[in-house]
Amino acid sequence: GDSVTQMEGPVTLSEEAFLTINCTYTATGYPSLFWYVQYPGEGLQLLLKATKADDKGSNKGFEATYRKETTSFHLEKGSVQVSDSAVYFCALEGYQAGTALIFGKGTTLSVSS
Amino acid sequence: GAVVSQHPSWVICKSGTSVKIECRSLDFQATTMFWYRQFPKQSLMLMATSNEGSKATYEQGVEKDKFLINHASLTLSTLTVTSAHPEDSSFYICSARDVEKSSYEQYFGPGTRLTVT
Repeated sequence: GDSVTQMEGPVTLSEEAFLTINCTYTATGYPSLFWYVQYPGEGLQLLLKATKADDKGSNKGFEATYRKETTSFHLEKGSVQVSDSAVYFCALEGYQAGTALIFGKGTTLSVSS
Repeated sequence: GAVVSQHPSWVICKSGTSVKIECRSLDFQATTMFWYRQFPKQSLMLMATSNEGSKATYEQGVEKDKFLINHASLTLSTLTVTSAHPEDSSFYICSARDVEKSSYEQYFGPGTRLTVT
């Protein structure tokens, strides 16, 4: 079945450092891909998404490109801030629209000043 | 933006009792809502898909008689944990899709933390 694998955390960075969180997937057909963020004590929020190959999703300085050839959707940010400290989840929605999301295990990011 | 609420945000109950968790879409209609369970430091695991006006579809390994789901309207789905036990303690999260939009986005509630003593 479909699955998502993302790098184990926690990831600890200093402010203004470059961030990469790896995410790879296994899926039938052409899934839509997402990154969600969960701040402490809050619910999941959509960070960015891509619905087809070579699409680049971006938001709040974060970017991820849908790479079909490597089945990847790595999250990047050029300069992290303390406020970016959160848990980041990579997820996919199968080719049949409207189905539930399949999540990776989540990666905890901690940014210090 | 679309908002999904959950009530209560946290609840403590005694073993053997039942607990109802509500999931509401506040400013949109949701034909489909999803219920997830999140264990500490782990991912969200889909429990069931709730469709308005019909029976919920449960994932393999989820006891439908224990986790009762009702989706009586386009803005409300409820999850009732019956005869709760300590191993049911977890973080329960719902999500909903806006029927008016063709986008894939699901909107998540803030979650309900259940502790069974």
